Amino acid sequence: SQQGEEDPQALSIQEGENATMNCSYKTSINNLQWYRQNSGRGLVHLILIRSNEREKHSGRLRVTLDTSKKSSSLLITASRAADTASYFCATAPATYGNNRLAFGKGNQVVVIP
Amino acid sequence: DGGITQSPKYLFRKEGQNVTLSCEQNLNHDAMYWYRQDPGQGLRLIYYSQIVNDFQKGDIAEGYSVSREKKESFPLTVTSAQKNPTAFYLCASRTGEKLFFGSGTQLSVL
Repeated sequence: SQQGEEDPQALSIQEGENATMNCSYKTSINNLQWYRQNSGRGLVHLILIRSNEREKHSGRLRVTLDTSKKSSSLLITASRAADTASYFCATAPATYGNNRLAFGKGNQVVVIP
Repeated sequence: DGGITQSPKYLFRKEGQNVTLSCEQNLNHDAMYWYRQDPGQGLRLIYYSQIVNDFQKGDIAEGYSVSREKKESFPLTVTSAQKNPTAFYLCASRTGEKLFFGSGTQLSVL
């Protein structure tokens, strides 16, 4: 079952700007993860935030999690052309744990040099 | 060079034909997964295996079959019962909470 649901937006920004995308989910989770996919390639894990965490940073990435609203956001600061990709959130439902991550539909980001 | 290898990169299926997608990993991970990705949609889980000789159906298992005879290998067969097989297929393995993905196989129908 699909749980993670990103705002279905295609984002086009200039290099150096920040990119923000959101994800909502429906049931209780153990953690929420963000992955990046370059065109025609596999997904690459970016960052994980657990249900008892509110914010997490990794390099130019900042993830927030609001369990009361069942939503998360991913912020990429000072974007680069190499950040052009699709970004997916994935939730680990409390029922299944990490065995059945549920992926959203993805958010396409284009960074213009 | 550790990772997950999927082959072939492109595959064409004739009507009524079964085809098998290969997935091999040398990461020593116990759990492996198959996802299907359609344009504009997220990943949907087909099958997963937590250990050798064991596997479970995902959300869209109909028309697919798998085997897990070795830890390193988790092949996916798309049977003739799958009427709409055209999609991008992704194999993944898991350690802890994170998934590691192969580069995918694009399956098309002739």
